[in-house]
Amino acid sequence: EAGVAQSPRYKIIEKRQSVAFWCNPISGHATLYWYQQILGQGPKLLIQFQNNGVVDDSQLPKDRFSAERLKGVDSTLKIQPAKLEDSAVYLCASSLGLVSAGTQYFGPGTRLTVL
Amino acid sequence: GIQVEQSPPDLILQEGANSTLRCNFSDSVNNLQWFHQNPWGQLINLFYIPSGTKQNGRLSATTVATERYSLLYISSSQTTDSGVYFCAVPKTNAGKSTFGDGTTLTVKP
Repeated sequence: EAGVAQSPRYKIIEKRQSVAFWCNPISGHATLYWYQQILGQGPKLLIQFQNNGVVDDSQLPKDRFSAERLKGVDSTLKIQPAKLEDSAVYLCASSLGLVSAGTQYFGPGTRLTVL
Repeated sequence: GIQVEQSPPDLILQEGANSTLRCNFSDSVNNLQWFHQNPWGQLINLFYIPSGTKQNGRLSATTVATERYSLLYISSSQTTDSGVYFCAVPKTNAGKSTFGDGTTLTVKP
């Protein structure tokens, strides 16, 4: 079974530029998560989808971050414009079950450096 | 929202030693997950354990939901066990999916 796929693996941009990340969850997984992991900290949930609907985006900085999951399968996370403090690893995860149940499986992450 | 606290923050062991990592959570939960983040950053599932005890090889985990804690046991540690261990509480009705800050384990040969 293929795991969670993410691209790109690494991205370096200058502040005020825009960037987009892509995630393809495990086939059949209804729930998809985007996390931000700053060095030395645990992952922080940015947004959670159930199929193509948003379940939780309370920690997503909506003035600059946006995410979509068209057709309830793959997802994109965009940052526009980027700030220095956005430097982090962006992790995508998926789970089979409903909103509050099920093992989360993580992709390899995208390491973003904002200069 | 729910708070998740892990201890100790750092742990250094000699190869072959045993260790216990702890995760405390501030509210009742109906699921809890342990992960190992390897030196390349990949988060690997260890256990999905809302209650009770599970074992997988040299690793085992126990969650006592009524007392709001979970323990991860590593026996006969190996250098490949090095990395950061996270516990996480997936989203519940009361709050969002929350990770602890992790325990960084270093196993020396």
